[in-house]
Amino acid sequence: ETGVTQTPRHLVMGMTNKKSLKCEQHLGHNAMYWYKQSAKKPLELMFVYSLEERVENNSVPSRFSPECPNSSHLFLHLHTLQPEDSALYLCASSQDPSGGPYEQYFGPGTRLTVT
Amino acid sequence: AQSVAQPEDQVNVAEGNPLTVKCTYSVSGNPYLFWYVQYPNRGLQFLLKYITGDNLVKGSYGFEAEFNKSQTSFHLKKPSALVSDSALYFCAVRGPGAGSYQLTFGKGTKLSVIP
Repeated sequence: ETGVTQTPRHLVMGMTNKKSLKCEQHLGHNAMYWYKQSAKKPLELMFVYSLEERVENNSVPSRFSPECPNSSHLFLHLHTLQPEDSALYLCASSQDPSGGPYEQYFGPGTRLTVT
Repeated sequence: AQSVAQPEDQVNVAEGNPLTVKCTYSVSGNPYLFWYVQYPNRGLQFLLKYITGDNLVKGSYGFEAEFNKSQTSFHLKKPSALVSDSALYFCAVRGPGAGSYQLTFGKGTKLSVIP
């Protein structure tokens, strides 16, 4: 276990549904991240939160809406998704909120299927 | 802009033989370099990192990596492969400097260790 948990592990949703992914870290870290992992593509950084403030948004469509209520929890709210949004969504956390040489610790991911 | 190349989609090695997974990078300034491993249906696990200093970095599970600045490479190595090492391996790079949140990953190399 890496100290980062994600729920649910699997999610199937229709294009008109609204759902949320949850991430929790038990490592005392100050930064949290959402990544998208699709087959045959490199990991795509979606959002970065540093000290509960969003500091990076990598041109992610508005149908993905992140929320970071405190330094231990991160949510990704989903609505009106497209089939191409089906992927593994990974949450990660790290010690240093300003980037730097610190490694990120990843959760097990949520496998999302949009039908 | 920073980038990572993992030139091999798949590496096959016999159990007990040495293994090498290749990685080259491009970044402005001195890089922070990382290796991660991903087992099926799991998130990424941190293996090792290079920040500065000794070019040979030792990490988890007997893995090590050699930083070569002139060749801009950071190849992952292990003297004797185990069947349990079979997984997907990712190299990642981050440039120096505060606010450098972007951790750029390669596409991954699938390692298969044959009994």
